[in-house]
Amino acid sequence: DQQVKQNSPSLSVQEGRISILNCDYTNSMFDYFLWYKKYPAEGPTFLISISSIKDKNEDGRFTVFLNKSAKHLSLHIVPSQPGDSAVYFCAARRTGGATNKLIFGTGTLLAVQP
Amino acid sequence: DAGVTQSPTHLIKTRGQQVTLRCSPKSGHDTVSWYQQALGQGPQFIFQYYEEEERQRGNFPDRFSGHQFPNYSSELNVNALLLGDSALYLCASSLGAGTRFFGPGTRLTVL
Repeated sequence: DQQVKQNSPSLSVQEGRISILNCDYTNSMFDYFLWYKKYPAEGPTFLISISSIKDKNEDGRFTVFLNKSAKHLSLHIVPSQPGDSAVYFCAARRTGGATNKLIFGTGTLLAVQP
Repeated sequence: DAGVTQSPTHLIKTRGQQVTLRCSPKSGHDTVSWYQQALGQGPQFIFQYYEEEERQRGNFPDRFSGHQFPNYSSELNVNALLLGDSALYLCASSLGAGTRFFGPGTRLTVL
């Protein structure tokens, strides 16, 4: 049962344009969401997160939007740069108790064309 | 400040063998989590260690075991290796339930 889904395996965007990566989740108990970026031969690098009490969080060129009613979140990268080309993973967790493990999606490969 | 380090980088084993992977957490972190990332998949949670005890466990068989040492470093052991155990094994450290910082991973190939 895939509780966190990234339905687009890949995305290609022109440099300077906006990249939008999408993520859906099924478990309504998730209350904290994260995006990680992964380059080949490296571990995932934390990008940005959002708590379920917010609907938007911004950090420089990266903005994450959360729509709890739709159980959907998205990562916007503006403007996109060639160095942003990587695999992006969405992850979710339920805070507290013994269940704060991260549940990851399958990733979206972003290619930013110069 | 060194981040999360893992050793070895790559490992080749044959079916039935046993393997030990090692992780040193980021300075100041006390919690270590292990993940398995199969090809084309996202990382899957194996287990988490805090205060030298296993706190949580994902859906992995008992062939997967671990240990955390007093200096917070950790080992992942896999016994009776199967072909399906071939994957990238990621270690993540955190301060309690804070943001996880991942190491570069160990690529395990089982032949």
